[in-house]
Amino acid sequence: EDKVVQSPLSLVVHEGDTVTLNCSYEVTNFRSLLWYKQEKKAPTFLFMLTSSGIEKKSGRLSSILDKKELFSILNITATQTGDSAVYLCARSIQGAQKLVFGQGTRLTINP
Amino acid sequence: EPEVTQTPSHQVTQMGQEVILRCVPISNHLYFYWYRQILGQKVEFLVSFYNNEISEKSEIFDDQFSVERPDGSNFTLKIRSTKLEDSAMYFCASRPVGLRDIQYFGAGTRLSVL
Repeated sequence: EDKVVQSPLSLVVHEGDTVTLNCSYEVTNFRSLLWYKQEKKAPTFLFMLTSSGIEKKSGRLSSILDKKELFSILNITATQTGDSAVYLCARSIQGAQKLVFGQGTRLTINP
Repeated sequence: EPEVTQTPSHQVTQMGQEVILRCVPISNHLYFYWYRQILGQKVEFLVSFYNNEISEKSEIFDDQFSVERPDGSNFTLKIRSTKLEDSAMYFCASRPVGLRDIQYFGAGTRLSVL
């Protein structure tokens, strides 16, 4: 099973709050886990994670993978209205080209 | 910054008509993909293309679908006889050799089948 499950599906917070988005996945033939930000246009790449416990960081965004518990989190600190988007989690599979996506988390940052 | 370009942004067609969705991948990329996202649902893989042939396809990608790289820069998705259920956002993606798994997406073509 290639299932990727994200939670929550929707989240509304105030500007300045810190948010944590969750992504769990099936273990079969796992190769990497990716995070994308989808605003009204193209999904844009944020992070790719392959190793457990190593945090990837870019500005206020960070992400980490736990290969034992089969999940990843995406943290956004000091949120801004420009962070409002759908955040997509996807996994890649050994021996395959495709990415398998979760259903996304819709994040809304209110001023 | 290089980007994947898709045209048109919105395509409206009648059921049973053929449509061609166009994509210009990033110039040094060699792997190309089509995904679709039906409204309110997940992004779903359709097909991957490398070295002028399909390298992988999903169950969705049946005989009604085809892909082509006609001229070394464009990458197209053709749907021969559209159905109502083909209405979706279609995303093209590409990636270079070496950066395994990181696919770069276009802004999508919204296909509406009436």
